Amino acid sequence: ETGVTQTPRHLVMGMTNKKSLKCEQHLGHNAMYWYKQSAKKPLELMFVYNFKEQTENNSVPSRFSPECPNSSHLFLHLHTLQPEDSALYLCASSHRDRSSYNEQFFGPGTRLTVL
Amino acid sequence: QQQVKQSPQSLIVQKGGISIINCAYENTAFDYFPWYQQFPGKGPALLIAIRPDVSEKKEGRFTISFNKSAKQFSLHIMDSQPGDSATYFCAAQGGSEKLVFGKGTKLTVNP
Repeated sequence: ETGVTQTPRHLVMGMTNKKSLKCEQHLGHNAMYWYKQSAKKPLELMFVYNFKEQTENNSVPSRFSPECPNSSHLFLHLHTLQPEDSALYLCASSHRDRSSYNEQFFGPGTRLTVL
Repeated sequence: QQQVKQSPQSLIVQKGGISIINCAYENTAFDYFPWYQQFPGKGPALLIAIRPDVSEKKEGRFTISFNKSAKQFSLHIMDSQPGDSATYFCAAQGGSEKLVFGKGTKLTVNP
């Protein structure tokens, strides 16, 4: 595997279900990100992890719970979601260095539908 | 202040034509301006980026024009090809802060 991979690619869940999205980066990066991409809206940054520590939570509802066990893996745990949470969830990674600008490499995303 | 405004929302161009997408920002702390390209079923990928110390950057058929005083930057795609059909996002970043994205432009290049 190369780059940033995400599983599953598609997920349909009910409002009472609990599911998890998985992201893995094979680039040796030290930062990982979750974004939400909805139609006709800018990409919304949800969470940032730097060296496994959460450095940003962009006012995301608690029904989204991130987990970063190591610098290569990132999870997004989902529970009691709402239909308006249906979107494409993108994971990205970068080599985060305060002295330079970091290109973010994106995975293909998980298309989530909440019924 | 954190917004990046992108236009147009969609663009249809004939093969061989020039595609132009515009972005504007307010935050003067932004000093890195990348463009991302996204094909259906894929995540965004960095296409080209510019810093405000230059007014133009060209890579192949893709050119970024930057106007610091107007706080605007644009992407020009010369000799547009059907394979360029994708959604394009401009973004802006200041220092090590997060990337702020525009809403995207869906480009269709007709054969």
